[in-house]
Amino acid sequence: DQQVKQNSPSLSVQEGRISILNCDYTNSMFDYFLWYKKYPAEGPTFLISISSIKDKNEDGRFTVFLNKSAKHLSLHIVPSQPGDSAVYFCAASAGNAGNMLTFGGGTRLMVKP
Amino acid sequence: DAGVTQSPTHLIKTRGQQVTLRCSPISGHKSVSWYQQVLGQGPQFIFQYYEKEERGRGNFPDRFSARQFPNYSSELNVNALLLGDSALYLCASSLVGLGSGGPEAFFGQGTRLTVV
Repeated sequence: DQQVKQNSPSLSVQEGRISILNCDYTNSMFDYFLWYKKYPAEGPTFLISISSIKDKNEDGRFTVFLNKSAKHLSLHIVPSQPGDSAVYFCAASAGNAGNMLTFGGGTRLMVKP
Repeated sequence: DAGVTQSPTHLIKTRGQQVTLRCSPISGHKSVSWYQQVLGQGPQFIFQYYEKEERGRGNFPDRFSARQFPNYSSELNVNALLLGDSALYLCASSLVGLGSGGPEAFFGQGTRLTVV
């Protein structure tokens, strides 16, 4: 059973517009959530994280929103740039599991110039 | 500062063989985790080590083993390789271990293992 799901395998967005990537989770013990970006032939790169005590966290063009009641989080990228084209992974952790991360299947974002 | 380094970057093994993958964490990081990423899927947790002790293990068979050395580097061993073990193996390091702050894990570039 997938505890973290990214239901959209791909997303195409025009440069300058907003990209919204979604993630759902089922395990109510998860209390920390992270987004990673991955280019081909590279390891995942940490982007932004959010604790379950918050509902929003911003870092430059990236904002993560957390809706605990819906067990849903989203990553907003504004404005989107061609260099943002990559696979984005949502990951979650339960506090008593240290940094053991449970990943979603990823969403491939394509930003068109 | 150097990031997480993994070696080798690529290797090809035959079914039934054994393989050892290596990882050096970011300087000062004491926790190392291993993940397996099969094509088209997200990374799957294999092991976590903190202060040289195993702190977590994912749903992988006993053919998979790991250890962490006094300098916090780590090795992942896989015995009796199967075709299905072909994947990208990722090592991640983090500053802290259990329950402290955010578990931001920083990943290496991975080792691409192909079993033929």
